[in-house]
Amino acid sequence: DTGVSQNPRHKITKRGQNVTFRCDPISEHNRLYWYRQTLGQGPEFLTYFQNEAQLEKSRLLSDRFSAERPKGSFSTLEIQRTEQGDSAMYLCASSLGRQILVEDGYTFGSGTRLTVV
Amino acid sequence: GNSVTQMEGPVTLSEEAFLTINCTYTATGYPSLFWYVQYPGEGLQLLLKATKADDKGSNKGFEATYRKETTSFHLEKGSVQVSDSAVYFCALSDRGTNAGKSTFGDGTTLTVKP
Repeated sequence: DTGVSQNPRHKITKRGQNVTFRCDPISEHNRLYWYRQTLGQGPEFLTYFQNEAQLEKSRLLSDRFSAERPKGSFSTLEIQRTEQGDSAMYLCASSLGRQILVEDGYTFGSGTRLTVV
Repeated sequence: GNSVTQMEGPVTLSEEAFLTINCTYTATGYPSLFWYVQYPGEGLQLLLKATKADDKGSNKGFEATYRKETTSFHLEKGSVQVSDSAVYFCALSDRGTNAGKSTFGDGTTLTVKP
């Protein structure tokens, strides 16, 4: 297993366009997370999945953002009608989730850098 | 809600110096605590973790002890190397039904000079 893979690495889009990012987690990991990171800040939680179930979505996230994880494998994050404020690094992470009530720690992908012009 | 406060950087040290990066947290429950590291041009990597009070996490010469009484998880290393130059993030994760979702600090940039 080569770790958590994110595609594309970079995306430049015009304001108002839709974009979709993909994340392939480590195959045996049942938890998958999306975070957003801007310069000088720590990762900010967006949403996460336990297998195919989306367990939580940040209240900071507008309705323009949606995420899916069909069949509990890869995940996609879509942003509709992009705005300049959406420019950020979008990080995907996965974890084993061996213990239901305790987190073991994440394996992060390299991220997708979105620039909205 | 939960929050993590890290010592502001950047921190610049000479090789073989002692490192401390302070981290304090606020949590509604009894969290697990983590340090992640991001080397230049790379993604975040888990450095160490502790899941209960008085546990010490350690890896690559770095250590951090879970102090519940002071709500702290300070990162230490006795002798830093140039290769330790990176951004370090402190994080916590709730227990229970919200286990997994993590809250991160804003990171501390460490530069080690030869």
